[in-house]
Amino acid sequence: QSALTQPRSVSGSPGQSVTISCTGTSSDVGNYNYVSWYQQHPGKAPKFMIYDVTERPSGVPDRFSGSKSGNTASLTISGLQAEDEADYYCCSYAGSSWVFGGGTKLTVL
Amino acid sequence: QVQLQESGPGLVKPSETLSLTCTVSGGSISSQYWSWIRQPAGKGLEWIGRFSTTGNTYYNPSLKSRVTMSVDTSKNQLFLKLSSVTAADTAVYYCARGAQAVRHWFDPWGHGTLVTVSS
Repeated sequence: QSALTQPRSVSGSPGQSVTISCTGTSSDVGNYNYVSWYQQHPGKAPKFMIYDVTERPSGVPDRFSGSKSGNTASLTISGLQAEDEADYYCCSYAGSSWVFGGGTKLTVL
Repeated sequence: QVQLQESGPGLVKPSETLSLTCTVSGGSISSQYWSWIRQPAGKGLEWIGRFSTTGNTYYNPSLKSRVTMSVDTSKNQLFLKLSSVTAADTAVYYCARGAQAVRHWFDPWGHGTLVTVSS
């Protein structure tokens, strides 16, 4: 069970859009529509942002959206705001286990 | 609103057993699914295992031989034991609700507790 692959960092200016990729295998991301995303600010616990690839829990702004193609899931944040600067982690069901990505640091320029 | 709070020794000696408690408030621990997840400093999240009072317990294959999860429903507490620890087990340990069939996500999370493995 290997960690899902995410870019170490991405950046964007306020108002712009950024996309964070999350690449797995046919045993996890590619085999299940059970990808979730988490936002983590420094020193804080992760916050649940996306589930089942595309769904947003109540309270999460619609600027956050998810998608998947093959073995790669993506999180897109549109209309970037300063408070979006954080680490983002993807997670996928892998059949009786769950695997996280290594995390992506989003910098809002 | 369910809230979780981790507790336990902040320092554990190498080769000893790490023992943590997660206290759940605002809801019952029964008939739910609970996970432990850890995060070494500056690194990513690692799922440790998922426990349920009514279903299957799953552990991360890489940790399975050293992990035991259990609950005390009378106290609404979840427990983690990790044996034969090394410096590589130094991390912030989180408990979270989830995941389960058709609800493959973790929410909410506790604030986390830092465990350092050192002599």
